[in-house]
Amino acid sequence: LAKTTQPISMDSYEGQEVNITCSHNNIATNDYITWYQQFPSQGPRFIIQGYKTKVTNEVASLFIPADRKSSTLSLPRVSLSDTAVYYCLVGDTNSGYSTLTFGKGTMLLVSP
Amino acid sequence: DSGVTQTPKHLITATGQRVTLRCSPRSGDLSVYWYQQSLDQGLQFLIQYYNGEERAKGNILERFSAQQFPDLHSELNLSSLELGDSALYFCASSAPGRHEQYFGPGTRLTVT
Repeated sequence: LAKTTQPISMDSYEGQEVNITCSHNNIATNDYITWYQQFPSQGPRFIIQGYKTKVTNEVASLFIPADRKSSTLSLPRVSLSDTAVYYCLVGDTNSGYSTLTFGKGTMLLVSP
Repeated sequence: DSGVTQTPKHLITATGQRVTLRCSPRSGDLSVYWYQQSLDQGLQFLIQYYNGEERAKGNILERFSAQQFPDLHSELNLSSLELGDSALYFCASSAPGRHEQYFGPGTRLTVT
């Protein structure tokens, strides 16, 4: 499974846009990129997934450059309730993606 | 609410004992995954079942075992419990052909 690297922590203020970048230099051709959010003592929650270019849903956008060696999760206009740990995962369901390897994630702290 | 249910929410037991954690996946999901999350180890994948059969194994101890029943619910059995087994145990499920996993609320196990 491709190894991912993301910042340990980030700080932001309410109303700002937050971009969290994840590096995955050895991403394989069949790998997808998935982001999860986790609040304390709760299970991770699926945010968004993509393979290439840009994906947008009601809560976030995911930007993936052409070489796919990194990806950026964009959270528009964050609120205090977006304070959480964000995990980036890379893998392919056919070859073992199911064995999700969660790294340390990025602790996002949103202040008033 | 992810649609994944776990029981019990909390469990307190003594060292050397055995416990069973239960998980019901989302309707239609065939895969069930078990994870352990402790403060010092982060979120660790334990084991995956797909439609009743073991599909993948992660960092699961020999004292731990799991199974998925014909109705697709799953149980994680933890035996000869040690203090270090105290953790949050999450179950997740995914739909056939889909990459994203949906996590339950977790069971907090405390071994005294």
